[in-house]
Amino acid sequence: GDSVTQMEGPVTLSEEAFLTINCTYTATGYPSLFWYVQYPGEGLQLLLKATKADDKGSNKGFEATYRKETTSFHLEKGSVQVSDSAVYFCALSESGGSYIPTFGRGTSLIVHP
Amino acid sequence: NAGVMQNPRHLVRRRGQEARLRCSPMKGHSHVYWYRQLPEEGLKFMVYLQKENIIDESGMPKERFSAEFPKEGPSILRIQQVVRGDSAAYFCASSPNLGAAQQEQFFGPGTRLTVL
Repeated sequence: GDSVTQMEGPVTLSEEAFLTINCTYTATGYPSLFWYVQYPGEGLQLLLKATKADDKGSNKGFEATYRKETTSFHLEKGSVQVSDSAVYFCALSESGGSYIPTFGRGTSLIVHP
Repeated sequence: NAGVMQNPRHLVRRRGQEARLRCSPMKGHSHVYWYRQLPEEGLKFMVYLQKENIIDESGMPKERFSAEFPKEGPSILRIQQVVRGDSAAYFCASSPNLGAAQQEQFFGPGTRLTVL
């Protein structure tokens, strides 16, 4: 079945540092890939997505590129802020099925001033 | 345009009581998903509903848990005879249509259930 593997957290960075959160997946078809962010006490919200190979999703300075050859969708940001502290979830959704997304376990990011 | 609404935000129950969690999807959305999130764990899919239909309940425990999404009113996740292990955050998400794998889900703020 489908699965999503994220790097374990927490990831602790100083403000303005470079961020990478790794995400790899296994899927039987050609999934769409997503990054969601969850701020403390809130629900998840979509951060960015990519629907086909080599697509790059971007939003609020975050980027991720759909790499079919390495089955990866790593999240990056060039300069993190304290306000980026949150839990980040990688997810995939297969076409041709019931479209129930598969989520990774989440990676907690803590940014210090 | 109001987002996905869930209530209550916090719910405390004693063992053996019933818990009822409500979710109103975004306007125009007819698909609702329920997830459970335990501390230090990811998001676990429970059930996927369309108006008046359960599409997929493969993630929901066979006993004590039930869900509905009536023609009128919110979707309800019901947990009967709660036990301490049911303590978790329960999230509802909605989406506008089927047949679009690239369609994102819109999440509510969650209901945090504590069983004493």
